[in-house]
Amino acid sequence: ETGVTQSPTHLIKTRGQQVTLRCSSQSGHNTVSWYQQALGQGPQFIFQYYREEENGRGNFPPRFSGLQFPNYSSELNVNALELDDSALYLCASSFWEVAAGELFFGEGSRLTVL
Amino acid sequence: AQSVTQPDIHITVSEGASLELRCNYSYGATPYLFWYVQSPGQGLQLLLKYFSGDTLVQGIKGFEAEFKRSQSSFNLRKPSVHWSDAAEYFCAVGATNAGKSTFGDGTTLTVKP
Repeated sequence: ETGVTQSPTHLIKTRGQQVTLRCSSQSGHNTVSWYQQALGQGPQFIFQYYREEENGRGNFPPRFSGLQFPNYSSELNVNALELDDSALYLCASSFWEVAAGELFFGEGSRLTVL
Repeated sequence: AQSVTQPDIHITVSEGASLELRCNYSYGATPYLFWYVQSPGQGLQLLLKYFSGDTLVQGIKGFEAEFKRSQSSFNLRKPSVHWSDAAEYFCAVGATNAGKSTFGDGTTLTVKP
């Protein structure tokens, strides 16, 4: 069984640039959720994807967008990067059909915006 | 709006001592409650969850938590801490869709030899 994998693990960007982060869900999982974890804080829900559609969004602006592919993998895109976007971005996969099912997290992509 | 408060930013305990990490939540309906652990450089791992039934739930690694509706609390406990338990612990609340959970800011646990 393959766990959740995220890439890249670390990256550095400058203000105004765009970034794409990738996530491969755990084998068989059909739902992907993205979280932003700033230093010293808990994860904050960005959005969730199921059946290739966004299913719920947290308090994040439209420059945060995502995709889910037929194989359930997902991308998080952030445009017009700001310094405050520096954070650990976590992807979690789960089964949509299981209520309060366990979330399986990847190790995250650490983004630094200079 | 749902929210989670973890009052203790940092806790230090001696190895072998008991542990209790506090969590208070705000949620309009019956909550789904979770505790996660995050080791340095790692993602989060689910320790346990509560969504109905017995208010004392058992989890992995010898952890347990008790749901107290009257106090809006879901405190995590372990009778005897091991050095490998040093990590950051997050409490979370959510609806049936665990993927949309709201997390607290975490408690960092240090274990003294």
